[in-house]
Parts: sequence; C-alpha cells; structure tokens
Amino acid sequence: AQTVTQSQPEMSVQEAETVTLSCTYDTSESDYYLFWYKQPPSRQMILVIRQEAYKQQNATENRFSVNFQKAAKSFSLKISDSQLGDAAMYFCAYRSRGNEKLTFGTGTRLTIIP
Amino acid sequence: DVKVTQSSRYLVKRTGEKVFLECVQDMDHENMFWYRQDPGLGLRLIYFSYDVKMKEKGDIPEGYSVSREKKERFSLILESASTNQTSMYLCASSLWGQGVINEKLFFGSGTQLSVL
Repeated sequence: AQTVTQSQPEMSVQEAETVTLSCTYDTSESDYYLFWYKQPPSRQMILVIRQEAYKQQNATENRFSVNFQKAAKSFSLKISDSQLGDAAMYFCAYRSRGNEKLTFGTGTRLTIIP
Repeated sequence: DVKVTQSSRYLVKRTGEKVFLECVQDMDHENMFWYRQDPGLGLRLIYFSYDVKMKEKGDIPEGYSVSREKKERFSLILESASTNQTSMYLCASSLWGQGVINEKLFFGSGTQLSVL
C-alpha cells in the first residue's frame, strides 16, 4: 500500500520569508500524481499544486513551487514571500494512475509570523 | 462555481445513536468520497463510490456504511455511534477517468461530529 509521510507537524515562518514543507512517499508504481492541498481555518480544502510523476520539470503556481525528486520519493513544497493568508494545514497527497483514490499525509500546520 | 455541500457543520450525538451525514455535489461527478480527519493522522478514506449504488471500502470502513441512491448524493451512516467516531468528516467528489481534469478533488467544508 502507498504511504505518504509528512515529518513536520508544525512549521512557522516570518511574513515575506520562504518556507519549505517536506513530504516523502512510498510506492512501487511508476506512474502517479502528487498533490499539495491547503486547509485554512474555514476547513475548505484547496488544491495548491500538483505534479505528474512522468514530468521531470517541477510544477510552479505563482509563489508555490515543488521540488520533486522521483528517485528519492520526495515531494517538498516551497512557499516564497509568505503571506498571512498562507497560514493553514498543508496536506501532501498521492494517487496512482488508474486509481481514483487519494492517500493523504498527516499534515503540517503552517504559522505565519507578522 | 462548483459546490460540495455537507448538511451540517457541527453535530452532537449520543453513543448508540444512528447518525446520517449527508453530502451533495452539483457537478455531475461520478466519484464521491468520505474521509475522516483526525489530528496527527491526517485524512483517512472511509468509503468511496464511483457510481450510483456502487461503493468500495477505504482504509477504515469499520463502524460505517454508505448509501448512494442518486448520483449527486452520498450519505455516510454510523449505525451505532461510538465515542471513538468523534472526528471531522470530509466529503469530496471528482470526475471519473484518467484525464487531467479529473485529478482534482472538490471538498465540502466538513462536519465536526462529537459523540458523547
């Protein structure tokens, strides 16, 4: 079974600084997708960024980017120029191609310090 | 705008009660999911449905059942609620298939259930 591990239960960063959230996963599949979801205090889960395993280029969405290391099975999220609105729980998730179900990590709570 | 609606934001029930959590989506999605969210454990899949009347067990189905009589509605049922089922319950939906468009899950805002 696939597993997703987030080793940082909590992180904090000064406003306008950069922070990196870690995620590792375990799978025997070669074709899969990886995601970062954000859950603010409103509880509404929001897709932040996604990466297709067959693409070597790291995904980027504005201030959010990933460092995808397929051989190491690592998928970290970098948030640049942190803003107060970035404060949330962040979940890393995995889905293999052909499987409709997502497997989530345990989450990292990010605090932004003004 | 796409929408997944969970009927209750907060719910308090007694042990032994039968509990229904309702979820409705307006996007004509084939897939619907029920996840449970607990601190330190993340989101864990309870049940998944890929079509009307079709269901598949997730990672933690014990103590739960589901019903999907219509495409837009997916209900989670706690036959006899217990205190260890106190948790946040999240419903989600997605399109079925292999294409890019279906990679995204759309979530409801969650139901915080307390079983006393």
